[in-house]
Amino acid sequence: GQNIDQPTEMTATEGAIVQINCTYQTSGFNGLFWYQQHAGEAPTFLSYNVLDGLEEKGRFSSFLSRSKGYSYLLLKELQMKDSASYLCAVRDPDAAGAGSYQLTFGKGTKLSVIP
Amino acid sequence: DSGVTQTPKHLITATGQRVTLRCSPRSGDLSVYWYQQSLDQGLQFLIQYYNGEERAKGNILERFSAQQFPDLHSELNLSSLELGDSALYFCASSVSGLSYEQYFGPGTRLTVT
Repeated sequence: GQNIDQPTEMTATEGAIVQINCTYQTSGFNGLFWYQQHAGEAPTFLSYNVLDGLEEKGRFSSFLSRSKGYSYLLLKELQMKDSASYLCAVRDPDAAGAGSYQLTFGKGTKLSVIP
Repeated sequence: DSGVTQTPKHLITATGQRVTLRCSPRSGDLSVYWYQQSLDQGLQFLIQYYNGEERAKGNILERFSAQQFPDLHSELNLSSLELGDSALYFCASSVSGLSYEQYFGPGTRLTVT
């Protein structure tokens, strides 16, 4: 099974940098994802880490440490439109070994960007 | 727009009833995933199909069932509905069962009264 923890809410100022942490305890691991979800809308893919280290994509970066079961999403130059929930998700191989994967999501971190 | 479509957008029904939610994946995607999102539980994986066959099962209740048809669209059937089944139901698709990127549809908001 999977246990994923992330803070429930965070607030940051426009133009600033914010780091959203995610810790996980898993029975299997095959990658960690970050999704952004605006209220009432579908989640949209932000990043994927399967090896340790930092992946940078524009204003967003994601870091993974497999030995620590830890990841963070870093958002730079915050904009008002970044106000959303950020979901951390872990992928593990299907227990049946059918060559497929399941995603287990954390409950999400609601980020509010204020002027 | 992810290219994944879901119908209906909203559904209001009574306890004990049965409903069917429909999903059409992105063109070329063979794998379909269903998720339930409620306020207290977050986004939960229900079930995955790949090219018509069930591939993975998550926290799906016995009252719920799904299938993927030859044209690759999928339906999620929810029966004997309870108040607690009120949630957003998302469908996602990917090229294969091993693809890391899933594209989510806009969701169906189910309200059980």
